[in-house]
Amino acid sequence: DAGVTQSPTHLIKTRGQQVTLRCSPKSGHDTVSWYQQALGQGPQFIFQYYEEEERQRGNFPDRFSGHQFPNYSSELNVNALLLGDSALYLCASSLLSTTYEQYFGPGTRLTVT
Amino acid sequence: GENVEQHPSTLSVQEGDSAVIKCTYSDSASNYFPWYKQELGKGPQLIIDIRSNVGEKKDQRIAVTLNKTAKHFSLHITETQPEDSAVYFCAAETSYDKVIFGPGTSLSVIP
Repeated sequence: DAGVTQSPTHLIKTRGQQVTLRCSPKSGHDTVSWYQQALGQGPQFIFQYYEEEERQRGNFPDRFSGHQFPNYSSELNVNALLLGDSALYLCASSLLSTTYEQYFGPGTRLTVT
Repeated sequence: GENVEQHPSTLSVQEGDSAVIKCTYSDSASNYFPWYKQELGKGPQLIIDIRSNVGEKKDQRIAVTLNKTAKHFSLHITETQPEDSAVYFCAAETSYDKVIFGPGTSLSVIP
């Protein structure tokens, strides 16, 4: 049974560019949440997707957007990258009925130069 | 607003000793409190959780306690081993099913 997978593992972008990160949830899970983890800090909630719609959102600007596909996989898009967007981006999957029981992927390390 | 505090930020113990990490939360509606272990280069791994209708839960060398009145919860690791070295995060489920994480505790177990 595959756990949560994310791609790519690492990514280097230039300020002002756009980036897309991908996530495949754990088998059987229908809900995907995205988190940003800056170095030395705890994960910060970005947003959550269920049934291809954004269900919850944290305090992140509109530059951060997402999408969920019919197979429950998800993408995180960040536009107009800033140096401060450099972080580990984590995807977590769960069931809607127990959305707080989240299983995390290994993350994508984004570096903005 | 919703907040989870965690102490200490770093903890160093001798192998075989116990380690305790303490957290407080602000949202009185929180009912679910997970603990995650994050090793270098990996995503957080759920190691134990506790719900508000339970005061204590134990799983082998790991135990969690919850004082809902005081909005405190703690992680206890007994007989620590070098492989317990990692960053530990407490978290709390808030209203609307969001999960808020604490800032983390870096645990080092010295052989």
